[in-house]
Amino acid sequence: DTGVSQDPRHKITKRGQNVTFRCDPISEHNRLYWYRQTLGQGPEFLTYFQNEAQLEKSRLLSDRFSAERPKGSFSTLEIQRTEQGDSAMYLCASILGGGNEQFFGPGTRLTVL
Amino acid sequence: DQQVKQNSPSLSVQEGRISILNCDYTNSMFDYFLWYKKYPAEGPTFLISISSIKDKNEDGRFTVFLNKSAKHLSLHIVPSQPGDSAVYFCAASDNNAGNMLTFGGGTRLMVKP
Repeated sequence: DTGVSQDPRHKITKRGQNVTFRCDPISEHNRLYWYRQTLGQGPEFLTYFQNEAQLEKSRLLSDRFSAERPKGSFSTLEIQRTEQGDSAMYLCASILGGGNEQFFGPGTRLTVL
Repeated sequence: DQQVKQNSPSLSVQEGRISILNCDYTNSMFDYFLWYKKYPAEGPTFLISISSIKDKNEDGRFTVFLNKSAKHLSLHIVPSQPGDSAVYFCAASDNNAGNMLTFGGGTRLMVKP
C-alpha cells in the first residue's frame, strides 16, 4: 500500500496523559499536513512541514501540541496533558511540492476520558 | 469567521437524478478549490478540483463549476448512485500561502435507490 498511513487508528486516554500519533506520508511527498476534525465539522488545519521544516502553525496548535518531522519522512504529533476538548479525529495528508491535491490518511481517532 | 461555507448540511436525491452540492467562500486569495468525499471512520478521499483560472472541470460523472465573481462553487453528480452516499467537503487553498486547505462544514448526501 503506497497511501498515507497513520498509527494508531484509535486511542483512548485519560485526561492529563500524553499521547503521540504517527503519520507516514506517500513516499517522495515533501509536504505533510496535520488537520483536526471534530464531530459535525470539516477538518481544520493545524500545521505543515516542507521536508523537515515546520513552516506554518495554526492558532489551534496550543503549546501542549508539538509536531516533528525529523528526517523529512514520517511525522509525529504529540499532545501533552490531554484535555477532553482534544477529543477529535487527527488527520494527516501529504502532497508533492508543486501539486495541489492533498492525499489523506485514515486518521487517528482520539478519545480523552 | 468561516471562510468556506456549505450551507446545506444534508441532501437527499433519488438514484439516477442529479445531485448538486454548493459551496461559498469569502477569501479572494483562494485560487484552488477541491471536493473531498468522506465515509465514516475514514480519511477524506480526493474527488475533483478546479483552478481559479477555470470555470468548469469535468471527470466522469462529476463536474465542478466555479463562479469567481460570486465566490461560489458547486459539484454536480450525474447520474447519482447509492454508492455516492457520503459526506462531501468543499476545500479551498491559496497556492502562495502553503496550500493548507480550508474546509467547509460538509454536506451529507443520501442517494436513495
